[in-house]
Amino acid sequence: EIVLTQSPGTLSLSPGERATLSCRASQSVSSYLAWYQQKPGQTPRLLMYDGSNRATGIPDRFGCSGSGTDFTLTISRLEPEDFAVYYCQQYGSSPWTFGQGTKVEI
Amino acid sequence: EVQLVESGGGLVKPGGSLTLSCAASGFSFNDAWMSWVRQAPGRGLEWVGLSKSKADGATTDYLTAVKGRFAVSRDASKNTLYLQMNSLKSEDTAVYHCVIGGHYFGRWGQGTLVTVSS
Repeated sequence: EIVLTQSPGTLSLSPGERATLSCRASQSVSSYLAWYQQKPGQTPRLLMYDGSNRATGIPDRFGCSGSGTDFTLTISRLEPEDFAVYYCQQYGSSPWTFGQGTKVEI
Repeated sequence: EVQLVESGGGLVKPGGSLTLSCAASGFSFNDAWMSWVRQAPGRGLEWVGLSKSKADGATTDYLTAVKGRFAVSRDASKNTLYLQMNSLKSEDTAVYHCVIGGHYFGRWGQGTLVTVSS
């Protein structure tokens, strides 16, 4: 089973700042990685898939890069609605697994 | 409009069984890969299992921890996805979400809470 490790656990930033979130896989997942945003009391929202593709309706301040074992989600300028928990998920090798999450807080 | 409505959750004793249902509408259910993803209270996300479309072989796949205990199935005539859960353990306590997708998950139902406790 592939283990995804997200860092940092918590990111304390202000609106307008840049956020950089990391996801590291215990073995290569090629580009089979997705990112989700979850706000309190809500279901997760798909942000990115296949390593670098933005899901429908996701603003272009969200970007991601990486392949193999190291991936990064970048939020170029934080908006108030971006403060949430972010999860990465791999589907390169079954069973699909999620990272433990990074909380982006004000 | 895409809708996924789960039902069937509740309180069950360890070792017990429960079947969850997910009524799907607003998209071509027969052509979609469908999955179940769970989230324990205050915890992260965990993929549980998937059901491939009939065109892709209608096979299933599972999280290692639930293999042999859980089974995903679907009824095309009812546009409904099921999760049969047997030999439940306390660590299965979670909100179970029905989701569209077999690899990544673009649409989520609100979920149904399963509590395994004596």
